Amino acid sequence: AQSVSQHNHHVILSEAASLELGCNYSYGGTVNLFWYVQYPGQHLQLLLKYFSGDPLVKGIKGFEAEFIKSKFSFNLRKPSVQWSDTAEYFCAVSGGGADGLTFGKGTHLIIQP
Amino acid sequence: SQTIHQWPATLVQPVGSPLSLECTVEGTSNPNLYWYRQAAGRGLQLLFYSVGIGQISSEVPQNLSASRPQDRQFILSSKKLLLSDSGFYLCAWSVLPEAFFGQGTRLTVV
Repeated sequence: AQSVSQHNHHVILSEAASLELGCNYSYGGTVNLFWYVQYPGQHLQLLLKYFSGDPLVKGIKGFEAEFIKSKFSFNLRKPSVQWSDTAEYFCAVSGGGADGLTFGKGTHLIIQP
Repeated sequence: SQTIHQWPATLVQPVGSPLSLECTVEGTSNPNLYWYRQAAGRGLQLLFYSVGIGQISSEVPQNLSASRPQDRQFILSSKKLLLSDSGFYLCAWSVLPEAFFGQGTRLTVV
């Protein structure tokens, strides 16, 4: 069975600081990887995704993530965070089957002005 | 374009009462549909998924059930709610392997 581990459950940063949220997965086959974000009071929405090709993927709002197959990792990064990045971030993995995505427990990110 | 509707947004129900949460998808045919639950500190847990009308797969044993009476309708139910059923319930549809989520329902069982 696939599983996803997010290392930090709560992260507090100041504006303009750099961000890296860790995500490791366990899955035996070809994986599809995702980062979702949930802003306060809003839908869960897709931040970025990796299916194949360039392991460095760029998403919305200046976020990027790097797939490192040898480390089973898909860490999320942003060089300079803003107050509006305060949200809950979820890493997810899918094997492409109908049984959907497996999510990590989430990281609650708070950006202090 | 495809849209997903989930209601109600919030619900407070007493222990032992029944539950019915509804989710509908527009703009797509024969989607894969999912119910997830988000409990504090536990991330999103897949409860049920459906690949077609009347086809329901359950990921975890629990007090809940799901039904898909129409192609684009997915219902989450319970005959008698437990306190432990409180949480945030999300419906999703999928064009494999990506998923798209509804607004969610905050259920509080009291």
